[in-house]
Amino acid sequence: GEDVEQSLFLSVREGDSSVINCTYTDSSSTYLYWYKQEPGAGLQLLTYIFSNMDMKQDQRLTVLLNKKDKHLSLRIADTQTGDSAIYFCAEMIGGFKTIFGAGTRLFVKA
Amino acid sequence: GAVVSQHPSRVICKSGTSVKIECRSLDFQATTMFWYRQFPKKSLMLMATSNEGSKATYEQGVEKDKFLINHASLTLSTLTVTSAHPEDSSFYICSARGEGNTEAFFGQGTRLTVV
Repeated sequence: GEDVEQSLFLSVREGDSSVINCTYTDSSSTYLYWYKQEPGAGLQLLTYIFSNMDMKQDQRLTVLLNKKDKHLSLRIADTQTGDSAIYFCAEMIGGFKTIFGAGTRLFVKA
Repeated sequence: GAVVSQHPSRVICKSGTSVKIECRSLDFQATTMFWYRQFPKKSLMLMATSNEGSKATYEQGVEKDKFLINHASLTLSTLTVTSAHPEDSSFYICSARGEGNTEAFFGQGTRLTVV
């Protein structure tokens, strides 16, 4: 089936690292994505990882993929107040359709 | 990244009227466009997928006659909510993908309120 799950809330202090976790069910996923949504706005692609990779790093962002457990995580180093947003995990299946998780609301306390 | 423009960003309409939302890819040709609906504190629900020049493929449970999708050119897709009801009030987001691309670019979203 097609299902992506993530925890709904995460609260961190400014300067700490944030880790947002996601699990997915479809083993045929080709790409996995992390999107950021700020209030009232559309989605912004943060980063993505191909399903045959274990890790991808892009500046403050680190994505880890455990394909065996179908677990994806996003680590934001040195979290800033501007990082407060909703983060969506998503998987592309069949090379075509993108399925989203419910989103994790990240609160960054100053 | 590429730019996808969605218009309008907000619309309020009366029950029973129809509303059209436009999604334009500004600097690339979008062979595939996706329409999503986002419920409060919920994920994005894929409503339909459209390829330029062909009929849209709707997800299960989405009424084709209520949510009309037209993808008439490689840069424009429209979603028309027909005979809108208050329960159609939601945040609608489009995304567009070019040929062979792994990334889909999202519009800014449209907040529809039906009164």
